[in-house]
Amino acid sequence: AQSVTQLGSHVSVSEGALVLLRCNYSSSVPPYLFWYVQYPNQGLQLLLKYTSAATLVKGINGFEAEFKKSETSFHLTKPSAHMSDAAEYFCAVTSTTSGTYKYIFGTGTRLKVLA
Amino acid sequence: KAGVTQTPRYLIKTRGQQVTLSCSPISGHRSVSWYQQTPGQGLQFLFEYFSETQRNKGNFPGRFSGRQFSNSRSEMNVSTLELGDSALYLCASSLDGGMAEAFFGQGTRLTVV
Repeated sequence: AQSVTQLGSHVSVSEGALVLLRCNYSSSVPPYLFWYVQYPNQGLQLLLKYTSAATLVKGINGFEAEFKKSETSFHLTKPSAHMSDAAEYFCAVTSTTSGTYKYIFGTGTRLKVLA
Repeated sequence: KAGVTQTPRYLIKTRGQQVTLSCSPISGHRSVSWYQQTPGQGLQFLFEYFSETQRNKGNFPGRFSGRQFSNSRSEMNVSTLELGDSALYLCASSLDGGMAEAFFGQGTRLTVV
């Protein structure tokens, strides 16, 4: 069965500092991995996705993630945090069942940006 | 292009009642998935519909059901509501439910009292 683990339910960074949100996955087959962001009282918005084309994936709002098969990781980074980055971030892996797919989400990491 | 629309945004129901939530996917999208989000359990997959057929189902009791219409709009029904059903219910649409990106609606916040 596929799963994702997000380390740290809460992360605080200062404005302008590096953002690093950790995600490790478990999959018996090559995975498709995603990072989503959720602002208060909103749905989820896709930040980026890994589909095996390139190990370093660039997303929206300056975020990027690197797929490391040897570490089974897909950590999300941003060089310089902005106040508007404060939100909850979810890592997800797709799970295949009879050829169809469903997302398996991590438990989320709430990012706080300090002025 | 209009996004995924979920109605209503907020709902308060009493234990034992039933509720129906609606999701209108992005035009052209044929796959609609439903998720339940709670502080304790996080985001959990309920089911996925594609071309009016349920293709995939999560581990929820039979009180949770859904359907999809020919125009791809989907409804989710919860019967005999329990306090634990209080959650944010999110709908996601995608072109075919495969590796295509899923677009999420803003959700319906259900409170059971």
